[in-house]
Amino acid sequence: AQSVTQLDSQVPVFEEAPVELRCNYSSSVSVYLFWYVQYPNQGLQLLLKYLSGSTLVKGINGFEAEFNKSQTSFHLRKPSVHISDTAEYFCAVSDWGAQKLVFGQGTRLTINP
Amino acid sequence: KAGVTQTPRYLIKTRGQQVTLSCSPISGHRSVSWYQQTPGQGLQFLFEYFSETQRNKGNFPGRFSGRQFSNSRSEMNVSTLELGDSALYLCASSLPGQGASGEKLFFGSGTQLSVL
Repeated sequence: AQSVTQLDSQVPVFEEAPVELRCNYSSSVSVYLFWYVQYPNQGLQLLLKYLSGSTLVKGINGFEAEFNKSQTSFHLRKPSVHISDTAEYFCAVSDWGAQKLVFGQGTRLTINP
Repeated sequence: KAGVTQTPRYLIKTRGQQVTLSCSPISGHRSVSWYQQTPGQGLQFLFEYFSETQRNKGNFPGRFSGRQFSNSRSEMNVSTLELGDSALYLCASSLPGQGASGEKLFFGSGTQLSVL
């Protein structure tokens, strides 16, 4: 069975500082990995995805993530955060054709001025 | 193009009652998935419908059910509500054949259900 672990439930950072949100997964098959963002009182929005190919993927709003198969990780990074990045971030995994996502518990990113 | 629309936005029920939530997918999308989001359990997959057929189901009791209509709109029903059913219920739609699940999922803003 697939599972996702987000290692930090909360991450406070100062504005314009870099940030890394950590995600580890476990699966017995080839996986596809995603990061979603949820702003207050809203649904989920896809930030970026890894399906195949280059292990460094770039997403919206300046975020990027690196797929590391040997460490079963898919950490999300941004070199300089803004107040508007305050939100909850979810890492998710699926396998082809499963038509369902398995989510991590989420990481609440708080940006301090 | 209108996004995924979920109604109602907020709902308050009491234990033992039943509830029906509605989801209108993006025009042209034929797959609809439902997820439950709670502070304790996080986001959990409920079920997925395509062309009026349930293709996938998560690990929820039979009190949770759903259906999809010919226009792709979907409803989910929870009977005999329990306090633990209080959650944000999210619906997501996608076009068929978009590849790995999650690649082209569009989420609605959810229905916040409170069970008293």
